[in-house]
Amino acid sequence: QKEVEQNSGPLSVPEGAIASLNCTYSDRVSQSFFWYRQYSGKSPELIMSIYSNGDKEDGRFTAQLNKASQYVSLLIRDSQPSDSATYLCAVRSNAGGTSYGKLTFGQGTILTVHP
Amino acid sequence: EAGVAQSPRYKIIEKRQSVAFWCNPISGHATLYWYQQILGQGPKLLIQFQNNGVVDDSQLPKDRFSAERLKGVDSTLKIQPAKLEDSAVYLCASSLVRSASGNTIYFGEGSWLTVV
Repeated sequence: QKEVEQNSGPLSVPEGAIASLNCTYSDRVSQSFFWYRQYSGKSPELIMSIYSNGDKEDGRFTAQLNKASQYVSLLIRDSQPSDSATYLCAVRSNAGGTSYGKLTFGQGTILTVHP
Repeated sequence: EAGVAQSPRYKIIEKRQSVAFWCNPISGHATLYWYQQILGQGPKLLIQFQNNGVVDDSQLPKDRFSAERLKGVDSTLKIQPAKLEDSAVYLCASSLVRSASGNTIYFGEGSWLTVV
């Protein structure tokens, strides 16, 4: 089982729709969860972080975390063509009890928003 | 604030040759990471430094890859000898040890390696 697994893509949605991206993780002691966006040929950029169960909203983005189900998701409302990118889920667990925590990425989901 | 700097941006080498990548993290960031991202996959952690000490190098192919971080600032990642499967983007990233933002990791633009 992969440590961090994302729903297989690519995902295609029309402009203005809600895009839903899902991620599951295997390490129950994971504490921090992140969504990165990566445009083709560019490096990942952080768009959302979430640390406790529930929803966290930032503009058009909502991250949802359910630690009991080991599940984290990202919703993008009013999707725009500029949202077309690869979305990477990343999970941080504490390595050896330190605060330095290894960040593990999923394989990414390609999102295409078409006009 | 200057971001994470990496060089070279692009490198093409033949298999069995060697290559080195350099990274300068954001000023004040004690933690430095090297990730390998193969086309179509997510980044994979190769090595993580805390100041100039190694915290995690469990996925570093130590028979051919080496990395150092002298004086706890700049870092160099070396591959010798390179194999075709090393073709990837090598991403350097850095983060503060402690911050209110939960140790956000910032990535450089990456060094693209093609082994032919």
